[in-house]
Amino acid sequence: EADIYQTPRYLVIGTGKKITLECSQTMGHDKMYWYQQDPGMELHLIHYSYGVNSTEKGDLSSESTVSRIRTEHFPLTLESARPSHTSQYLCASSAAGTGWNEQFFGPGTRLTVL
Amino acid sequence: QKEVEQDPGPLSVPEGAIVSLNCTYSNSAFQYFMWYRQYSRKGPELLMYTYSSGNKEDGRFTAQVDKSSKYISLFIRDSQPSDSATYLCAMSKNAGNMLTFGGGTRLMVKP
Repeated sequence: EADIYQTPRYLVIGTGKKITLECSQTMGHDKMYWYQQDPGMELHLIHYSYGVNSTEKGDLSSESTVSRIRTEHFPLTLESARPSHTSQYLCASSAAGTGWNEQFFGPGTRLTVL
Repeated sequence: QKEVEQDPGPLSVPEGAIVSLNCTYSNSAFQYFMWYRQYSRKGPELLMYTYSSGNKEDGRFTAQVDKSSKYISLFIRDSQPSDSATYLCAMSKNAGNMLTFGGGTRLMVKP
């Protein structure tokens, strides 16, 4: 089983609150990713990082922000949650290198904004 | 039009059946093709990975890629109730790991 952890697993919160979704991996992977997944829909990449102090926006526009201060930690923050942010958020990581490397996924955080 | 299309299902089959799951894609630049399995309330886990065209077999699972038709398949032989999950295809243009996912097909294998 992949050593990538996400907390909390479930979060119900009111509109306007600031939230941080935590993601940590113990595999020493340089690359980390955040995906958003609505029920029955494809995963959309919202943020990625290729290493410490490196963050980029993904294909899907998101009001969230991320930081990468430590290799193992890639938190996602929403400054002011809205009902449109209700979704499942999946964190993933992969090794660096010139070849293809598997992405390992965490269990996800299911966020509900009331 | 989505870059990767996948029938959402659900696909319901009896135990022991051969299951065929498919994805079509529009971008001929895709070279790496993956199948992920996602159980309810879990993150996806990699099942099979192929590069370019051809077949790859792993136990009860066979992945096929037909780049000329922009079509990939996952076959599951002797399906088991434990195979009940959502199967996501994913693909990338290079080894940089930026994946494009299909929407997933929900499979139910009934005892």
